[in-house]
Amino acid sequence: NAGVTQTPKFRILKIGQSMTLQCAQDMNHNYMYWYRQDPGMGLKLIYYSVGAGITDKGEVPNGYNVSRSTTEDFPLRLELAAPSQTSVYFCASRTTISGTGGEGYTFGSGTRLTVV
Amino acid sequence: AQSVAQPEDQVNVAEGNPLTVKCTYSVSGNPYLFWYVQYPNRGLQFLLKYITGDNLVKGSYGFEAEFNKSQTSFHLKKPSALVSDSALYFCAVIGAAGNKLTFGGGTRVLVKP
Repeated sequence: NAGVTQTPKFRILKIGQSMTLQCAQDMNHNYMYWYRQDPGMGLKLIYYSVGAGITDKGEVPNGYNVSRSTTEDFPLRLELAAPSQTSVYFCASRTTISGTGGEGYTFGSGTRLTVV
Repeated sequence: AQSVAQPEDQVNVAEGNPLTVKCTYSVSGNPYLFWYVQYPNRGLQFLLKYITGDNLVKGSYGFEAEFNKSQTSFHLKKPSALVSDSALYFCAVIGAAGNKLTFGGGTRVLVKP
């Protein structure tokens, strides 16, 4: 069981560069999420998706874009990297919470991004 | 808008003593509540959740949490803390009709030998 797979695990970007953080899940979950975690802080929701073709903004969407062309993949794009985007990024997916006997949410292992 | 408050940035406890990490929430409708733990440079690990049913929920590693609807709280507890419990703990909530999981700011637990 792969669960939620995030790539890359680490990346250093220069200011103004762009990159895509990849997230894939093999559990056929409809809901997928991108969070960022700043040092010593909680997780802030960037974007989420309730199904293929549907995305919506979270708490901190500025500077990011997402797409959801398939159920499996939910990439997060940074167009013009800024130092304020230095963070650890977590992708998550879930099925219907009330119908699951498990955790509900499954998190990836994270991508540590540094913008210099 | 839904929100989660973890009023303590850090909790210090001696090994073998009871551990409590506080969490209060605000959400429309019935809540689904979660606790996660994060060890240094690691992702989030699920501890337990409340969906419905018994207010006392038992989870991984000897942790439990009590759902209190009147106080809108979901405090995490462990009867006897271990040094290995030292980590960052997050409470999270989602409304039953909602789509987004909202996290608290986290509480750092330090268990001293």
